[in-house]
Amino acid sequence: QQQVKQSPQSLIVQKGGISIINCAYENTAFDYFPWYQQFPGKGPALLIAIRPDVSEKKEGRFTISFNKSAKQFSLHIMDSQPGDSATYFCAATYTGRRALTFGSGTRLQVQP
Amino acid sequence: KAGVTQTPRYLIKTRGQQVTLSCSPISGHRSVSWYQQTPGQGLQFLFEYFSETQRNKGNFPGRFSGRQFSNSRSEMNVSTLELGDSALYLCASSSTSGSHEQYFGPGTRLTVT
Repeated sequence: QQQVKQSPQSLIVQKGGISIINCAYENTAFDYFPWYQQFPGKGPALLIAIRPDVSEKKEGRFTISFNKSAKQFSLHIMDSQPGDSATYFCAATYTGRRALTFGSGTRLQVQP
Repeated sequence: KAGVTQTPRYLIKTRGQQVTLSCSPISGHRSVSWYQQTPGQGLQFLFEYFSETQRNKGNFPGRFSGRQFSNSRSEMNVSTLELGDSALYLCASSSTSGSHEQYFGPGTRLTVT
């Protein structure tokens, strides 16, 4: 029940295109869903996060869409740039707990 | 504000040895969590400390332990190292204002030979 399933494992997108990464969770107690971006040799960096009381959250070119009934959430990167090439992780946790359950990661490559 | 710092950045140890890793959280952050990252298992939660007390522990053997000091700095220790302990060990800090936002350090790359 603690799993977070992430897909696809890898993604190649052309510059200017939309990158879409999907995650699904099982534990209905989860109420905080962040996305992290990780470059090689670096720690994960918090990109954007959402709580289940909203269906969408946008910050710049990054948007999280959340579907509570389907227990799914996704990250959309608009106008993808080569500098966005990195590994992206979704995660989840619940109120009172800071231990994050991570998805398996998506390696995004944006081709110029 | 300075970010999360971890020392050392790289470490090579031999099977059977023990190792201690250090983490200094963002100033003002009192919660520190540790994660292990490997290609096979991904990112896995090890434990969380707040006010020098372990609050949560992941599914790791007792060889993995940690502690937190009064200045919120944290250390984790791995005893009797195994080859499978080779990983990137990440520390994350967060405030205790109710926000779940966690900020990661660059990690310590541990190689066990």
